[in-house]
Amino acid sequence: DIVMTQSPDSLAVSLGGRATINCKSSQSVLYSSNNKNYLAWYQQKPGQPPKLLIYWASTRESGVPDRFSGSGSGTDFTLTISSLQAEDVAVYYCQQRSNWPPTFGQGTRLEIK
Amino acid sequence: EVQLVESGGGLVQPGGSLRLSCAASGFTFSSYAMSWVRQAPGKGLEWVGRIKSKTDGGTTDYAAPVKGRFTISRDDSKNTLYLQMNSLKTEDTAMYYCAREGIGGGAFDIWGQGTMVTVSS
Repeated sequence: DIVMTQSPDSLAVSLGGRATINCKSSQSVLYSSNNKNYLAWYQQKPGQPPKLLIYWASTRESGVPDRFSGSGSGTDFTLTISSLQAEDVAVYYCQQRSNWPPTFGQGTRLEIK
Repeated sequence: EVQLVESGGGLVQPGGSLRLSCAASGFTFSSYAMSWVRQAPGKGLEWVGRIKSKTDGGTTDYAAPVKGRFTISRDDSKNTLYLQMNSLKTEDTAMYYCAREGIGGGAFDIWGQGTMVTVSS
């Protein structure tokens, strides 16, 4: 199975500041047949199910604010929140779907400093 | 409104069985592969298994920890997904979510609110 490792485990950022979460996969999640990275990012707020933010590493899901962006390719990926809002406090997970079974990172807890 | 609603969770003794349901609405359920994902208390997300659409063969896949004990099925006439869980272990205690596999590389684009399964004597 592909192991997804996120860093840091937790992060505190000031309101309006930039938050950066990293995700590293143990194998490339780039599909050579279509040149797409099968990497998604989810946000999970307390007591709620996860919510899809980003798929194909950098495509924002419909309705997701543009302060959320994804980047990276192959084995190294980043989720950036450009201007942190109070409602962004959550745990963030990366997930790969290039190899079976789908696997998630351990999560990164984002708090307000 | 696109929605998934799970039901059927509860307290069960080790070795027991439980069947979870996930009712879908607001989209063409039969066209999508569906997965179950679980989350143990205070822990991260773990994919449990999936069933493809009948158009894609309707086949199932399972995570290693549940293979041979859990069975996923679907009734497209009722827009409902099922998870039959047998020989339950304490480590199966978790919130169980159903999730739709979207067009974006199979990312899980719609999630239910979850149903809690507790395996304890």
